[in-house]
Amino acid sequence: SQQGEEDPQALSIQEGENATMNCSYKTSINNLQWYRQNSGRGLVHLILIRSNEREKHSGRLRVTLDTSKKSSSLLITASRAADTASYFCATDGEGGNKLVFGAGTILRVKS
Amino acid sequence: DTAVSQTPKYLVTQMGNDKSIKCEQNLGHDTMYWYKQDSKKFLKIMFSYNNKELIINETVPNRFSPKSPDKAHLNLHINSLELGDSAVYFCASRSPGVSEQFFGPGTRLTVL
Repeated sequence: SQQGEEDPQALSIQEGENATMNCSYKTSINNLQWYRQNSGRGLVHLILIRSNEREKHSGRLRVTLDTSKKSSSLLITASRAADTASYFCATDGEGGNKLVFGAGTILRVKS
Repeated sequence: DTAVSQTPKYLVTQMGNDKSIKCEQNLGHDTMYWYKQDSKKFLKIMFSYNNKELIINETVPNRFSPKSPDKAHLNLHINSLELGDSAVYFCASRSPGVSEQFFGPGTRLTVL
């Protein structure tokens, strides 16, 4: 069954605004990752947060992880039109040998 | 100097045909994957190979047969194509001990 659920399914914001996407998962994890997929392209790794971490930053990205609630959020600050893409969370499974992806959030940043 | 490459990018074929998709990575990674992304963008793992050895085989019809001639290549052969096989197929790879995966650009398969 699908591991992660993400909300919202779609998000439309103005350039300069912040975008927050949420992800929930079902089993215990070693880490959780976020990926971006531009239209018609492959996935690109954005950030990884380990199960013993609560928050992590990378540039305009901020990820939080709450293992008690089995949830994570991705915040993109000061969004740009180029941030328009689908964003997926993924948790590790089978000893880290595979990733289980959420359904994704489609983000549209209007200029 | 593409890291993970796939061919072809687009594949349109008739039901019942047999087709192959090729994947190559020049990152020196040991582990490679095939994922299927459906029309709702849901991404699901199909197979994983580590150093040419199959380590993950999800519930995939046996019409799908992966082959890894060496650790830099992982090909996917599909027999007797069905309408439901229409999807985007992604190849990915990763280094041992590292969770981050590197994805290819995808192959959009359309079965008519």
